[in-house]
Amino acid sequence: GDSVTQMEGPVTLSEEAFLTINCTYTATGYPSLFWYVQYPGEGLQLLLKATKADDKGSNKGFEATYRKETTSFHLEKGSVQVSDSAVYFCALRSTDKLIFGTGTRLQVFP
Amino acid sequence: EAGVAQSPRYKIIEKRQSVAFWCNPISGHATLYWYQQILGQGPKLLIQFQNNGVVDDSQLPKDRFSAERLKGVDSTLKIQPAKLEDSAVYLCASSNTPTSGPYTQYFGPGTRLTVL
Repeated sequence: GDSVTQMEGPVTLSEEAFLTINCTYTATGYPSLFWYVQYPGEGLQLLLKATKADDKGSNKGFEATYRKETTSFHLEKGSVQVSDSAVYFCALRSTDKLIFGTGTRLQVFP
Repeated sequence: EAGVAQSPRYKIIEKRQSVAFWCNPISGHATLYWYQQILGQGPKLLIQFQNNGVVDDSQLPKDRFSAERLKGVDSTLKIQPAKLEDSAVYLCASSNTPTSGPYTQYFGPGTRLTVL
């Protein structure tokens, strides 16, 4: 069945460092891809999305490009802030169902 | 625009007790989802409603879990009786009916259930 694999965390960075969180997927057809973020004590918020190959989603300085040839949707940010500390979930939508990865915790220290 | 509301935010019960969670979706959203998020894992879909009809409940443990969405708006999720392994955060989400193109699921803050 369809699935999403994320790099395990935690990812620990200093403020202003470059961030990459890897995400690969397995799916039949052409799913839409998402990154959700979960701040402590809060629900999931959509961070960005891409609906077809080569699309780039971006929001709040975060970017991810839908790579069909490598079945990947890696999340990147050029300069992280302490306020970016959260758990990040990669997800795909297959038919009408969202399938999530296990999440990657990001910890940013000043 | 108000977001997805859930209550209670936290609940602690003993095993074999019953518990119910409530969700109020974003106004006008026809589709409502309940997810279970166990610590250290991604959310897993339990049940999906379209208006007041069930679209997908294939991963709902029907011997102990039940859900309803009367009148196609609010929804309740019930566990009876609870087991230790039901300890998790229960997330509710809603979305517009996808007629064409992409759509987004909006999540509530969740209910954290601890079963002792």
